[in-house]
Amino acid sequence: DGGITQSPKYLFRKEGQNVTLSCEQNLNHDAMYWYRQDPGQGLRLIYYSQIVNDFQKGDIAEGYSVSREKKESFPLTVTSAQKNPTAFYLCASSQSEGTGGYTFGSGTRLTVV
Amino acid sequence: GNSVTQMEGPVTLSEEAFLTINCTYTATGYPSLFWYVQYPGEGLQLLLKATKADDKGSNKGFEATYRKETTSFHLEKGSVQVSDSAVYFCALRYNFNKFYFGSGTKLNVKP
Repeated sequence: DGGITQSPKYLFRKEGQNVTLSCEQNLNHDAMYWYRQDPGQGLRLIYYSQIVNDFQKGDIAEGYSVSREKKESFPLTVTSAQKNPTAFYLCASSQSEGTGGYTFGSGTRLTVV
Repeated sequence: GNSVTQMEGPVTLSEEAFLTINCTYTATGYPSLFWYVQYPGEGLQLLLKATKADDKGSNKGFEATYRKETTSFHLEKGSVQVSDSAVYFCALRYNFNKFYFGSGTKLNVKP
């Protein structure tokens, strides 16, 4: 079955370390997205990509970086410059055209220890 | 600009009660509208959608009608169950890949 896979489900990071969250989709979707969700809060857009080798900053890109070398993959790196990285991170994908919605992954919970 | 506003939660209901979660939007043109559901510790799942005015989306007993005249897409269910306890997000898609989400409404259903 097609879908989006995020890994790992739980991730612990020491202060000052960079960590990379994985997001892979086999839906043949052109566009991919990263969102951050804090407890009891809505979704905030970090980065998005509409095509391979191209991506744009969202509303809260500072302290994060991404790459889009393959259509299927959109990894997110949380750098040491992100001052408050503890959160739930969600990856999503969609077709570039049409009226369909997002397909979301199951999320990665990142905790700074 | 485009935006989505949904009622603040939490909403607490007894099992078998009627549910309404209000959602209104601001957008130029003709966006597609969605409701997503998020269970604890999980990602968001598409619950239903409507792509044009007067369309009704429905799934698992939930319904929402795209009302262009009132710019609304309220979520309803006639009889909620404990298993419906979750956070519900209203969203719109405008101009290809621009999505806008509401802040989410937490629903608690008591037995």
